[in-house]
Amino acid sequence: GENVEQHPSTLSVQEGDSAVIKCTYSDSASNYFPWYKQELGKRPQLIIDIRSNVGEKKDQRIAVTLNKTAKHFSLHITETQPEDSAVYFCAASISTDKLIFGTGTRLQVFP
Amino acid sequence: NAGVTQTPKFRVLKTGQSMTLLCAQDMNHEYMYWYRQDPGMGLRLIHYSVGEGTTAKGEVPDGYNVSRLKKQNFLLGLESAAPSQTSVYFCASTRPGVYEQYFGPGTRLTVT
Repeated sequence: GENVEQHPSTLSVQEGDSAVIKCTYSDSASNYFPWYKQELGKRPQLIIDIRSNVGEKKDQRIAVTLNKTAKHFSLHITETQPEDSAVYFCAASISTDKLIFGTGTRLQVFP
Repeated sequence: NAGVTQTPKFRVLKTGQSMTLLCAQDMNHEYMYWYRQDPGMGLRLIHYSVGEGTTAKGEVPDGYNVSRLKKQNFLLGLESAAPSQTSVYFCASTRPGVYEQYFGPGTRLTVT
């Protein structure tokens, strides 16, 4: 079955710097790659996603890139702010039935 | 529109006790999911349902049972709780053809 690996497990950056989180997946049939943000004590919420027919997608300060050949995708956050501090999860899916999540990255943004 | 709700929010069980977690959604979603979240392990799928009366196993189904008797509700049961089932449990739902999953607020379960 699908397996998703996520790195790093923790990431500390200074406010204003960029942050990059990387994920690899195992099943080449996967065609949907979302990123969820979970603030402390809250539920996970979708922040951005990408389909396999697109190489890059941007939404203001966040972007996701996909390399289908290498089977990896990344989340990029520019001009980080303290409110970006959270746990970020990547996921991969072959169909709309279910998602397989990575193990999460705890991002800390220091003022 | 409450979205996805979970009952209870917190629970403490002794080893061997049983309990049922309730997930309810008012968005008329066909698909519903139960995950557990443990430190360093991410979100792992326990069971899921693609429609009323149907259920399927996820990545970590052992020790859990589920039922989907009504479209809006998805129940997760622990027949004989074990300390290894101490976790935060999240329910989620979505529609067919829509990948985004909407999560409930979570249930923190401690088994002593």
